[in-house]
Amino acid sequence: ILNVEQSPQSLHVQEGDSTNFTCSFPSSNFYALHWYRWETAKSPEALFVMTLNGDEKKKGRISATLNTKEGYSYLYIKGSQPEDSATYLCASFHNTDKLIFGTGTRLQVFP
Amino acid sequence: DTEVTQTPKHLVMGMTNKKSLKCEQHMGHRAMYWYKQKAKKPPELMFVYSYEKLSINESVPSRFSPECPNSSLLNLHLHALQPEDSALYLCASSQDLNGGYTFGSGTRLTVV
Repeated sequence: ILNVEQSPQSLHVQEGDSTNFTCSFPSSNFYALHWYRWETAKSPEALFVMTLNGDEKKKGRISATLNTKEGYSYLYIKGSQPEDSATYLCASFHNTDKLIFGTGTRLQVFP
Repeated sequence: DTEVTQTPKHLVMGMTNKKSLKCEQHMGHRAMYWYKQKAKKPPELMFVYSYEKLSINESVPSRFSPECPNSSLLNLHLHALQPEDSALYLCASSQDLNGGYTFGSGTRLTVV
């Protein structure tokens, strides 16, 4: 059974702080790692899709790295803003054609 | 149009009712998905359609019946559900099975 784990489960930071979360996934038969941002009452929004070991992607103040050999990805947010408050989901894709989600990290940024 | 539209947003149904959830996208995506999410749990895959054909059924009970009438539409027919089926049902689409997903905002289903 493929298991994707995220930590921490929740995080509270002050506006302006930088923060990061971790996604752990099985390294066997790995194809891709997805990150999604999910605001309350909205649709999950795709942030990054990464496939290669050592991949780094950036979108504004948010960036992500990928280590496929050890099975982890980090998501970084630089200078957090209240509008960054959301649940951040990662999901890994293996040769099963199925995208398996973690439980997410709930981020709350206080002004 | 870069959205996945799901209707209805909320649904309350009895255990003897028959209802359908609808999902629509006009991005030309060839893969569409149904996920179920219960509180504080990750979204769980139910069905995958690729080029309008069912490619994955995650051993979902037959009281859930998917249908893909064309490349833009995905339905989930519900019949004789149980209270434990109450959850958020998310539809998603992607260009192909390896790409990033575009999600709808979900249907919040309550079975009474």
